[in-house]
Amino acid sequence: KNQVEQSPQSLIILEGKNCTLQCNYTVSPFSNLRWYKQDTGRGPVSLTIMTFSENTKSNGRYTATLDADTKQSSLHITASQLSDSASYICVVSAKGAGNNRKLIWGLGTSLAVNP
Amino acid sequence: DADVTQTPRNRITKTGKRIMLECSQTKGHDRMYWYRQDPGLGLRLIYYSFDVKDINKGEISDGYSVSRQAQAKFSLSLESAIPNQTALYFCATSDGQSDRDNGYTFGSGTRLTVV
Repeated sequence: KNQVEQSPQSLIILEGKNCTLQCNYTVSPFSNLRWYKQDTGRGPVSLTIMTFSENTKSNGRYTATLDADTKQSSLHITASQLSDSASYICVVSAKGAGNNRKLIWGLGTSLAVNP
Repeated sequence: DADVTQTPRNRITKTGKRIMLECSQTKGHDRMYWYRQDPGLGLRLIYYSFDVKDINKGEISDGYSVSRQAQAKFSLSLESAIPNQTALYFCATSDGQSDRDNGYTFGSGTRLTVV
């Protein structure tokens, strides 16, 4: 069964600190993995996309890693800011027939950055 | 103006009423989606459309219907609303499902409460 599991479920850190969010998946056949940021009451916004051959990708203070062998991804946030408070969702795309993909969404990690 | 606009932003309706949620986009994308988000359950796909004449059921389509009136417009209807359809509803668009696409662009959501 295709599944995406994220940990921790929630996290509280102080402003300026770093943190790492985890995503483990059992999705086959794998196409790509994205991290989305969802602010409260808003729609998710894509942060990074990683394909099978990519190990690391950065987007400003966000760095995502992918280990396709162990089927794990992480999102590292450096020098956190109050605006980083949000839910971070891991989404894995599974290849389907033709050009179709099926998205398997994680439940997200709720991050609170306190001053 | 937002790339993906959903109306209304909030709605309270009574059990048994028919309600329509509307979505319009200026991205020029062919693919549009309706999701609902519930606490602890993450995002679940209701319906999706790859073209004006294409409508496909998602994982939780029962009790819902959709209409793709034009490339830019995709509406979701609840024919007879029930309380367990209380949720946050998101419309999204995408430019394709290749490994290099730009992911989904989400609207700001419609918070629907059925009493």
